[in-house]
Amino acid sequence: GQSLEQPSEVTAVEGAIVQINCTYQTSGFYGLSWYQQHDGGAPTFLSYNALDGLEETGRFSSFLSRSDSYGYLLLQELQMKDSASYFCAVAEGTYKYIFGTGTRLKVLA
Amino acid sequence: IAGITQAPTSQILAAGRRMTLRCTQDMRHNAMYWYRQDLGLGLRLIHYSNTAGTTGKGEVPDGYSVSRANTDDFPLTLASAVPSQTSVYFCASSSGTGVNEQFFGPGTRLTVL
Repeated sequence: GQSLEQPSEVTAVEGAIVQINCTYQTSGFYGLSWYQQHDGGAPTFLSYNALDGLEETGRFSSFLSRSDSYGYLLLQELQMKDSASYFCAVAEGTYKYIFGTGTRLKVLA
Repeated sequence: IAGITQAPTSQILAAGRRMTLRCTQDMRHNAMYWYRQDLGLGLRLIHYSNTAGTTGKGEVPDGYSVSRANTDDFPLTLASAVPSQTSVYFCASSSGTGVNEQFFGPGTRLTVL
C-alpha cells in the first residue's frame, strides 16, 4: 500500500536546528513537497524536491534520497513562529498527492 | 487579489442532505484539488481537476462529486451527507507545471449530524 511516515511530534528550543524525517512508500513518485500549517490555518508550501539532494530556501532546507525513499525538512535558527504542523507530500502523479499525517513542532523559549 | 476562496466557512448539516462546497481561484491556475483533513490523518485528496472540463478521482472519492465548468470554479458536492463526512475541507490550486506549488483556501469546517 501507499504510506508516508513522519514523527508525530518534535520539540526544540528557540535558535536550535530541527530535522523532520519522512519516509514514503507509494505507487509512483514525481517529487516530495513540504507544507507548513499553523493551528486553524491553511497549509502553505515550503519546498519541493524532484531530484536527489538538498534544496535551500532561507532558514529551511529539504533533502531527498529517492533510492532510500526518504527525505527530510531541516529548520535552522528556530523561532517561536515556527511552531506549527509540517506535512510531507508525495506527488504520485502530476496531480495526485499523498500527504503524511504531519509532525507537530513545538518551539520552546 | 484574493487568491483562493471557499464558502461557506463552516456548516452544520443534517445527515441525508445535499451540500455543495464552493471554491474559486483568481490565479488562472489549471489544476484544482479538494482535500479533507481529519485529526491524525493529515490531508487526503478527494478529487482533482487538471484543466477545465476534466476531473479525476483521488484517494477518497466515494460520496463526493465535482465539476469544472471553467478555470476559476471547482465546487464539491455531497449528494447525501453522512456523519463520516464531518471534516475540514480544503480546496487548492496549482499551475500544474514544474514545482506545482499548491495554494490552499482557508477551508470549510463541515459537521454532519
